[in-house]
Amino acid sequence: EPEVTQTPSHQVTQMGQEVILRCVPISNHLYFYWYRQILGQKVEFLVSFYNNEISEKSEIFDDQFSVERPDGSNFTLKIRSTKLEDSAMYFCAGSGTGSVLYGYTFGSGTRLTVV
Amino acid sequence: DAKTTQPNSMESNEEEPVHLPCNHSTISGTDYIHWYRQLPSQGPEYVIHGLTSNVNNRMASLAIAEDRKSSTLILHRATLRDAAVYYCILRDVGKLIFGQGTELSVKP
Repeated sequence: EPEVTQTPSHQVTQMGQEVILRCVPISNHLYFYWYRQILGQKVEFLVSFYNNEISEKSEIFDDQFSVERPDGSNFTLKIRSTKLEDSAMYFCAGSGTGSVLYGYTFGSGTRLTVV
Repeated sequence: DAKTTQPNSMESNEEEPVHLPCNHSTISGTDYIHWYRQLPSQGPEYVIHGLTSNVNNRMASLAIAEDRKSSTLILHRATLRDAAVYYCILRDVGKLIFGQGTELSVKP
């Protein structure tokens, strides 16, 4: 079964540093998402991306965050200047359509630890 | 997105059926009922969805009340691998919004 692949599985970074989290979506997916989950808390929506642009973003997704699909296969989330509170699991997800008739496929996540 | 209410936790014995309830009294006519689960240290995983009729797939069954104000996810024979947090989510358009879900533990 096709998978969404996320790398790295765990990243430790110093506060103020930039990090890039990478995702390889399923090849025929067109809609892409980033979610995060702070330890012990709910899975929270960050951003959705379609046709090479952001279609929706949450309040969490401020100017420190950006997404891009640089080469038509990878989908990346960049955090420009990390804060301690950015420590969380970050999940990439995709779907073939934006329709509610289909589910999302999530990756296994990247655990980001900001020290 | 309309709100759902689920018990915080449930317990089951291995190889017994599990019924996970979800209340969604403010559901609108165009909301689909989606279920996801999240195994420990994994991303969420799609389980099943439905609109009005009961649905079955290889993972589970979804029973939807006639008034659509509640639904039940049914795992026919729980295994240890089914221990996870189960999320009931209403979707009309756009993104998935996760609640706290029900943490299911399965005893051998």
